Amino acid sequence: DTGVSQDPRHKITKRGQNVTFRCDPISEHNRLYWYRQTLGQGPEFLTYFQNEAQLEKSRLLSDRFSAERPKGSFSTLEIQRTEQGDSAMYLCASSLDTFASPLHFGNGTRLTVT
Amino acid sequence: GESVGLHLPTLSVQEGDNSIINCAYSNSASDYFIWYKQESGKGPQFIIDIRSNMDKRQGQRVTVLLNKTVKHLSLQIAATQPGDSAVYFCAETWNDYKLSFGAGTTVTVRA
Repeated sequence: DTGVSQDPRHKITKRGQNVTFRCDPISEHNRLYWYRQTLGQGPEFLTYFQNEAQLEKSRLLSDRFSAERPKGSFSTLEIQRTEQGDSAMYLCASSLDTFASPLHFGNGTRLTVT
Repeated sequence: GESVGLHLPTLSVQEGDNSIINCAYSNSASDYFIWYKQESGKGPQFIIDIRSNMDKRQGQRVTVLLNKTVKHLSLQIAATQPGDSAVYFCAETWNDYKLSFGAGTTVTVRA
């Protein structure tokens, strides 16, 4: 399978704990994105990388959130001091670095904060 | 005048019939649009895209229509099958990278 891979698929954590998610994009894709989706809503943009450079962060991404893509390949999204409002599906997507290149999404990491 | 389809949050369609899913997008500067299908527990799956210099594009059993005058996008699915049951999202971008998603439409196919 050469699609976008995310790990873990599910994460249950207690409020206040830190969590980290991993995304492996499609290998030839330079662009990598993180989105968040809550029940019944469309995905919302969180952040975007072109190779290893993080070029934009949404205001949805509070100081407790940090994303990295150290070698321009896989990416991690860390949430510190989780809150119940962080419960959501975290989606990773990747695309080619050309205009009108569709984003291809992984199956997400579902986070539940208790 | 021209009729513009309303966005409906749910759509029930008989197997074998054609489905039309409507979407009103928000930004007149948007220049690229994508339709995604999302099944329960999975990420959005790319269906078809269209650039703003086109008004129609066809794929396998799917057609996307773009009306920039009224900022309207539609997805037509021919001969709807049970496997087409899912939530469908339209998405737009005006800056080449950040997709903005519309409200989804849940399609249920009746046998």
